[in-house]
This record gives sequence, structure tokens and C-alpha cells, in this order.
Amino acid sequence: EIVMTQSPATLSVSPGERATLSCRASQSVSSNLAWYQQKPGQAPRLLIYGASTRATGIPARFSGTGSGTEFTLTISSLQSEDFAVYYCQQYNNWPRTFGQGTKVEIK
Amino acid sequence: QVQLVQSGAEVKKPGASVKVSCKASGYTFTNYGITWVRQAPGQGLEWMGWISTYKGNTNYAQKFQGRVTMTTDTSTTTAYMELRGLRSDDTAVYYCARDLGSSSSIAFDIWGQGTMVTVSS
Repeated sequence: EIVMTQSPATLSVSPGERATLSCRASQSVSSNLAWYQQKPGQAPRLLIYGASTRATGIPARFSGTGSGTEFTLTISSLQSEDFAVYYCQQYNNWPRTFGQGTKVEIK
Repeated sequence: QVQLVQSGAEVKKPGASVKVSCKASGYTFTNYGITWVRQAPGQGLEWMGWISTYKGNTNYAQKFQGRVTMTTDTSTTTAYMELRGLRSDDTAVYYCARDLGSSSSIAFDIWGQGTMVTVSS
């Protein structure tokens, strides 16, 4: 199965700053990658699919780039509601797999 | 509005089975697949499998093969996930999610509220 590795495990960022999260696949997943946000006690929320397409209702400050094995989620200016855990997920191969998550915390 | 509503929390003994339901509303059920994901306490997300609501075909993670069955009832727009032979490490929140793919699993845009399943003797 494809192993998804996210870095860093924890990212400390001040409100208003840019956050850059990385996701690496153990083999190429083309552009078949999604990003999710999860807050404590809540279900995940889809942010990005197709590596760079924002899901319905997702603010423009969230952007995704990459293809193949290297992907990035950028939050251009962190708002208070953006502090959460972020997961990448590939859907190029079975089984679908998630990264272990990056926690974005307030600096 | 588009939503998935799951059944309530369960407490089961080791070796038992659990069946979680996921009622869909607000959209055409058979236009999207359903994926099941679980999350153990304090841990990350784990993909369990996917079912086509149109054809009923499934794809399960190897880890759950032989222990899990995913089904749907199009007449009630409800999906079900049954997990058998429960162990303590099956204790987790189980989520259903609407899958953007109808013929294959893609990304999951609408999630249920989660069902906590506790396995304890």
C-alpha cells in the first residue's frame, strides 16, 4: 500500500502568518490527492481534492499544489479557526491511505 | 441540506459484532459512493473501505477483509457497516462519508457525525 508521510508533525504559527504543510507519497499518486481539516471532537472536513481544487465553500486562503509524490497545502494567512489537524489522503491506489496528520497550533 | 446521520454509540464485548448505520439525505443517494473511516482515540484517520451505492460493489482494506461487510439500502438511503470479531483495538469513532466517486473511491466531502464503538470486557 502507498504510505503517506506528512511533515512536520506539529507546526507552530502566529495568526496572520503563512503555514506550509507537506505530504509525501511512497510512490506516485499523480494528482489524486486530497486534504482534510479536523478540529477536536469534529468530523474531518474536505479542503482540497485533485491536489489543487478547493472543495465547495473552502476559503481561497487554502491552496494545494504538487503532483507525483510531493504535495503542499498552504494556508496564506492563518485565522483563529484554522488551528486544527490536517490530513492528506491519496486515492490513486487501493487501499486509500491517509497521512498521519500535521497539527497546526498557535505560536 | 445534505447530511449523513449515523447511529448512536455502542459498547460491545470482545468477539461480538457491531453494525453502524448511516442515513443520507438531501442528495441523490446513488450518485455518490459511501466510504467508511475510523479513528482510534488520539490517533489518525484509517480508511476501512468503500461501497458503490449504485451497483453495490465494494473495496475493503486488506486489514478488515473477512471481518467487515458494507451494504446499502437504496429504498431508505441508508448505508451500513458491520464489523465482526471485535477486539479492544477496534475501539474507535467510526465515520461514514459521502464519496465524490460513484464508480470508485475519490475524496470524501460530507461526513457523518461519527459513532463511538467501545470494545471492552
